[in-house]
Amino acid sequence: GAGVSQTPSNKVTEKGKYVELRCDPISGHTALYWYRQSLGQGPEFLIYFQGTGAADDSGLPNDRFFAVRPEGSVSTLKIQRTERGDSAVYLCASSPFWGDPNGYTFGSGTRLTVV
Amino acid sequence: AQSVTQLDSQVPVFEEAPVELRCNYSSSVSVYLFWYVQYPNQGLQLLLKYLSGSTLVKGINGFEAEFNKSQTSFHLRKPSVHISDTAEYFCAVITTGGGNKLTFGTGTQLKVEL
Repeated sequence: GAGVSQTPSNKVTEKGKYVELRCDPISGHTALYWYRQSLGQGPEFLIYFQGTGAADDSGLPNDRFFAVRPEGSVSTLKIQRTERGDSAVYLCASSPFWGDPNGYTFGSGTRLTVV
Repeated sequence: AQSVTQLDSQVPVFEEAPVELRCNYSSSVSVYLFWYVQYPNQGLQLLLKYLSGSTLVKGINGFEAEFNKSQTSFHLRKPSVHISDTAEYFCAVITTGGGNKLTFGTGTQLKVEL
């Protein structure tokens, strides 16, 4: 696609529920990144994929968070047993390849609200 | 480890006045530096980047930034702001050989007033 697409744009869920957030990167971009932006903060790194594999998942806060990219294109961020502290904007970005220093192209984000 | 400090959380400025948004980084290795802008309810848009070469880089919308290695700074400037520049601005860094992972500052809210 022309840009990075994230769905849904907004998600409200109840505490304890499971959610999936989807990211469709720019066609041909092999590197894909997930960030989380809490209110009043800068984006914080969660996980990064090169192709189908998670090259660096050091930013995932705990084992309730998991992400996949089975075919090396679309990625899904999965959050189990959601907590109110998970409320944030989840941003996805992509770049042509790992090591590209030109910066990333970001999607518009998914605003997750846990009530 | 790398970190980015944006000293000003909010910067109010009148339209057509100049503005400088400050950014300092800490890293023991070479870095690539970026400024992103985020308009309300939108994603991050790249304003400009420093990779190498000339320390003064020009970006979109009339913004420019200067890389100062000795002061480990990358301040963003615009000589004359417009109402439409009201947004959140984020400084970010990638360390060379550091896995291409962008680390962001906490952001500066630029509010342009009439």
